[in-house]
Amino acid sequence: AQSVAQPEDQVNVAEGNPLTVKCTYSVSGNPYLFWYVQYPNRGLQFLLKYITGDNLVKGSYGFEAEFNKSQTSFHLKKPSALVSDSALYFCAVHNNDMRFGAGTRLTVKP
Amino acid sequence: DAGVIQSPRHEVTEMGQEVTLRCKPISGHDYLFWYRQTMMRGLELLIYFNNNVPIDDSGMPEDRFSAKMPNASFSTLKIQPSEPRDSAVYFCASSWLDTQYFGPGTRLTVL
Repeated sequence: AQSVAQPEDQVNVAEGNPLTVKCTYSVSGNPYLFWYVQYPNRGLQFLLKYITGDNLVKGSYGFEAEFNKSQTSFHLKKPSALVSDSALYFCAVHNNDMRFGAGTRLTVKP
Repeated sequence: DAGVIQSPRHEVTEMGQEVTLRCKPISGHDYLFWYRQTMMRGLELLIYFNNNVPIDDSGMPEDRFSAKMPNASFSTLKIQPSEPRDSAVYFCASSWLDTQYFGPGTRLTVL
């Protein structure tokens, strides 16, 4: 069975600092991995995905994620956080179906 | 494209009433998903369709919930009778090539 875990419920960073939101997965075979963002009172919005190829994937709004097969991780990163990045972030894995993590609330303080 | 469209955006109803949520997927997308989001349980997949055919409804909580997709441009999620514990935000999403695109959601409150 496939699963995805986001070990941190909450991440706090100062504006201008780098941010990392963690995600690990468990799946047989080669997964498709996704990051979505949810702003207040909005639906989830696609950020980026890894299918195959380069382990570093670049997405919307300056975000990127690194696929690490040996550690079964797909952490979301951004070199310099903005206050407007504050939102709920979901990692997801797609094998036979799509499974979402529980979400991590990112707060960027000015 | 306008994206995934859901209606109504907000619904307040009384326990025992029938509730119908509507979704118009993005044109050309071949998958449609219904999710429920609550603080306690997070994001739950209820059911999904492929080319208008229900594929997996194992996430539908009970027989009070039903979903249909009569054509490629329309789907409904019905709750009959509704209960207070059904209060949540219900999202519809459509996808093509594995990437899902979510609608704005319907916030349902059952009193």
